Amino acid sequence: QVQLVQSGDEVKKPGASVRVSCKASGYTFTNNDIHWVRQAPGQGLQWMGKISGYNGDTIYAQKFQGRLSMTTDTSTTTAYMDLRSLRSDDTAVYYCARSSNWNYGHWGQGTLITVSS
Amino acid sequence: DIQMTQSPSSLSASVGDTVTITCRASRTVSRHLNWYQQKPGKAPDLLIYAASSLPSGVPSRFSGSGSGTDFTLTISSLQPEDCATYYCQQTFGDSITFGQGTRLEIK
Repeated sequence: QVQLVQSGDEVKKPGASVRVSCKASGYTFTNNDIHWVRQAPGQGLQWMGKISGYNGDTIYAQKFQGRLSMTTDTSTTTAYMDLRSLRSDDTAVYYCARSSNWNYGHWGQGTLITVSS
Repeated sequence: DIQMTQSPSSLSASVGDTVTITCRASRTVSRHLNWYQQKPGKAPDLLIYAASSLPSGVPSRFSGSGSGTDFTLTISSLQPEDCATYYCQQTFGDSITFGQGTRLEIK
């Protein structure tokens, strides 16, 4: 069965960077894009961007341009999301999701990133 | 970016009721519209894809309709476990957006 397992919760200081990993299993990694979505406490879902599992092509939401990087390692079927210059309003649960036919049938369990001095 | 506007932002209904949530796009998204259900502390679950298709395992009391800019999610014969927040999502083009969510309370 398809599984996406994310790395653990982290606490970061303002200005720092964070990397969240998303280990995929149960399907052919190169057949699907991985998307990243975040959710601030008590707020809605915000799309951050996507990366092709096939060739690593990325599209980022304009809001995160310049601070966000997404990469994949096909040898370990893992996707990574790097966010730099963290601010307090980056405090959120970050999710990876597998895209299939323009929808997300499978999500990671979420990773809470807390940005606090 | 395409803006997605959901209404209502919250609603309360009783077991057995039928409820409707609407989602309006700022410009056409064709039928690239999905609905998700999210319960507290959990990742969202796919409820409806391509405006009206039901994924395997989703109860048939959930249904979706619409195309272009106006979409609806209908939940018939409401059950206690339907208490959740519901989000629409458009996947038309390169930039994806979600509605702000509709919180459903069961009386």
